[in-house]
Amino acid sequence: QVQLVQSGAEVKKPGASVKVSCKASGYTFTSYDINWVRQATGQGLEWMGWMNPNSGNTGYAQKFQGRVTMTRNTSISTAYMELSSLRSEDTAVYYCARVYVHSGYDRLDYWGQGTLVTVSS
Amino acid sequence: DIQMTQSPSSLSASVGDRVTITCRASQSISSYLNWYQQKPGKAPKLLIYAASSLQSGVPSRFSGSGSGTDFTLTISSLQPEDFATYYCQQSYGRSLTFGGGTKVEIK
Repeated sequence: QVQLVQSGAEVKKPGASVKVSCKASGYTFTSYDINWVRQATGQGLEWMGWMNPNSGNTGYAQKFQGRVTMTRNTSISTAYMELSSLRSEDTAVYYCARVYVHSGYDRLDYWGQGTLVTVSS
Repeated sequence: DIQMTQSPSSLSASVGDRVTITCRASQSISSYLNWYQQKPGKAPKLLIYAASSLQSGVPSRFSGSGSGTDFTLTISSLQPEDFATYYCQQSYGRSLTFGGGTKVEIK
């Protein structure tokens, strides 16, 4: 069955970087885009960007341009999201999600369990 | 960016009630609209895609409708396990956006 398993919780100081991993199983990793979405405590869902695991091509939300980098290691079916210059407002749960496309319509059909990133001095 | 506005932001309902949540896009998005359910401490779960198609395994009491800028998620008979927060999401372009969410609480 399709699974996305994310790395564990992180605590970082302001100004540092964090790298979250998302290991895929149960499907061909390079056949589906991965998106990253975050959620601050008690808040809504915020889209961060997408990555095509086959080509490595990426697209980022304007808000995160210059601070986020999405990469992958196809040999271990793992996607990564690195966020730099962390500030307290980046404290949130970060999710990876697979994009399924059918008849031109795409949706986020499988999600990781989420990774809590806490930014605190 | 396309803005998505959900209403109401919260509602109280009883088991068995019919519940309707609306989502409005800032520009036409055809049928590129998905709905998700999220329970506390859990990842979102896909309910409806392409505005009206039911994701496999999702109970038939959930339905979606609309196109262009106005969309609706309906729960025909609210069950105890349906108390959660619901989000719409547009997939018209490569940049996705979510609505602010609707929290469905027990009356």
